Amino acid sequence: EAQVTQNPRYLITVTGKKLTVTCSQNMNHEYMSWYRQDPGLGLRQIYYSMNVEVTDKGDVPEGYKVSRKEKRNFPLILESPSPNQTSLYFCASSFRLGSGGALGTQYFGPGTRLTVL
Amino acid sequence: QKEVEQNSGPLSVPEGAIASLNCTYSDRGSQSFFWYRQYSGKSPELIMFIYSNGDKEDGRFTAQLNKASQYVSLLIRDSQPSDSATYLCAVNNDRKDSNYQLIWGAGTKLIIKP
Repeated sequence: EAQVTQNPRYLITVTGKKLTVTCSQNMNHEYMSWYRQDPGLGLRQIYYSMNVEVTDKGDVPEGYKVSRKEKRNFPLILESPSPNQTSLYFCASSFRLGSGGALGTQYFGPGTRLTVL
Repeated sequence: QKEVEQNSGPLSVPEGAIASLNCTYSDRGSQSFFWYRQYSGKSPELIMFIYSNGDKEDGRFTAQLNKASQYVSLLIRDSQPSDSATYLCAVNNDRKDSNYQLIWGAGTKLIIKP
């Protein structure tokens, strides 16, 4: 089954304790992205990756790191989480249309609800 | 500043009626347009995409695109209570200098009243 998986689904942690949220897709998509979603603010992009070893900042990258060592995996790292990073996080992946590079449909993981105390 | 605007709602529609959701975008270079549905606490799922001016129909859903006026809409016919969700509009341009990013609207909350 084609899917994007995220782990963990729920996480409660304390300020400053490093954590990693994993994301994996089995659709051979080149493009992967991390979003956070907060009430009233919609989806905000944290980081994205156009391909292996190619990552770039989105709209709200502060306090986050990513890596893309393999095509299927795109982990999100919070080196020193703070309470303002409490949010619902989504990983997404997408194919690219033709040779121009435009993004096709984005497929989302189930989400990770993170609480930082 | 590339923007995608949606009325946050809630938009309340009686069951069986037509729900009309609208989205405007600022970047004239936009090439592809997506509507996603998101139930509370769940991940967004694609409803429809549209690339060309005009209407595109899929079952009870119709997407309408007007590039000259820079708006895209989603019509839901014979609305059902299960259609109650937040609808997200996403707009893509295929310009390399923007890294092909999707710009997301904040979503419209739709409530279908039985």
